[in-house]
Amino acid sequence: KNEVEQSPQNLTAQEGEFITINCSYSVGISALHWLQQHPGGGIVSLFMLSSGKKKHGRLIATINIQEKHSSLHITASHPRDSAVYICAVSRNPYNTDKLIFGTGTRLQVFP
Amino acid sequence: DTAVSQTPKYLVTQMGNDKSIKCEQNLGHDTMYWYKQDSKKFLKIMFSYNNKELIINETVPNRFSPKSPDKAHLNLHINSLELGDSAVYFCASSQWDEQFFGPGTRLTVL
Repeated sequence: KNEVEQSPQNLTAQEGEFITINCSYSVGISALHWLQQHPGGGIVSLFMLSSGKKKHGRLIATINIQEKHSSLHITASHPRDSAVYICAVSRNPYNTDKLIFGTGTRLQVFP
Repeated sequence: DTAVSQTPKYLVTQMGNDKSIKCEQNLGHDTMYWYKQDSKKFLKIMFSYNNKELIINETVPNRFSPKSPDKAHLNLHINSLELGDSAVYFCASSQWDEQFFGPGTRLTVL
């Protein structure tokens, strides 16, 4: 079993819908990362969080350390949000330790 | 100005050959990484360097040898390429927090 599990694996939505992607992990962590990989292949870091909640535009990430769970929410989804969203955890506060990745959630938003 | 750059973007080669992928970051970060993304899009760390010193070496075959001539560069040399080495290789750098990824190098071994 992977140390970082994501659900769902695939997600389709209509433009405008509210989207939630979940991530659960089984190891002690110092931080959790949400990454976005576009169809072209490039990977962008969306959030790094170790507690609470962060918001960038229409994206919101939350983490519950006790439950070892994080969620990524997209409000008012748009076709340009179509991408693979990857959850990863790091185990060293100085970020020189490795990231352990989830298997990703493929999101397709249709107009 | 690209933060993390990799060359080449595509690499097609025959089994048994030796090839290198170069990575450079202009962010002034101390830590650099190599990741491998397999055909199922699963990412896995291969190596991590901090200030030119090897920090992490996951169970990667010793045909893979990273080299960091300075803290802005982390190159990956692969000897005796095998079919299973076909993947996308990502370089990344970080300093304390988020990781910045290069555009990836798609390696195809025929």
